[in-house]
Amino acid sequence: DSGVTQTPKHLITATGQRVTLRCSPRSGDLSVYWYQQSLDQGLQFLIQYYNGEERAKGNILERFSAQQFPDLHSELNLSSLELGDSALYFCASSFRQDNNSPLHFGNGTRLTVT
Amino acid sequence: LAKTTQPISMDSYEGQEVNITCSHNNIATNDYITWYQQFPSQGPRFIIQGYKTKVTNEVASLFIPADRKSSTLSLPRVSLSDTAVYYCLVGDRWSYSGAGSYQLTFGKGTKLSVIP
Repeated sequence: DSGVTQTPKHLITATGQRVTLRCSPRSGDLSVYWYQQSLDQGLQFLIQYYNGEERAKGNILERFSAQQFPDLHSELNLSSLELGDSALYFCASSFRQDNNSPLHFGNGTRLTVT
Repeated sequence: LAKTTQPISMDSYEGQEVNITCSHNNIATNDYITWYQQFPSQGPRFIIQGYKTKVTNEVASLFIPADRKSSTLSLPRVSLSDTAVYYCLVGDRWSYSGAGSYQLTFGKGTKLSVIP
């Protein structure tokens, strides 16, 4: 158990809808990362937060947004959903924000857009 | 950016020791080497991290030569449950992808298949 909690585990919704994915980082970790992994694809970095502030951004679509709250949990909001957004969404956390700090991943939210 | 190169796939029989080598010729002085394991439909799991020489934990060993231009993840006596994708990451995981955005790159990893 990595200590990172993601909810929900599964989400099925229709095109055009909006969903919110939630992540609770490992106790004591200040940095949260979001990744997208489509079928047989690699891990695509979306965005990173550190202690409530955005630190880095990958190729995150404008329809997607995220935030990290004062209690350090994070939410990823996906709107105007398309079929191609169906994927596994992972959250990871680390204690520091530097490049050598190991990442601890949750078990992901599987999003299916129909 | 410290680019890494590792084999796309490897096969091994149960009970054998598996060594997966990762090349990172332009590793920087402050960079650590970190390995992750990912099972299908699960998040990657941190396995081991090292800076130089040898690191061992309950799961694996990591061998790093003096020049640090490569590293080898060693899995002792693999079982079917070790079938997974293994990723090697080196320190500076960030790469600029244009228009102000950065990628925290994981690469494609090595798909290890353990055969009965």
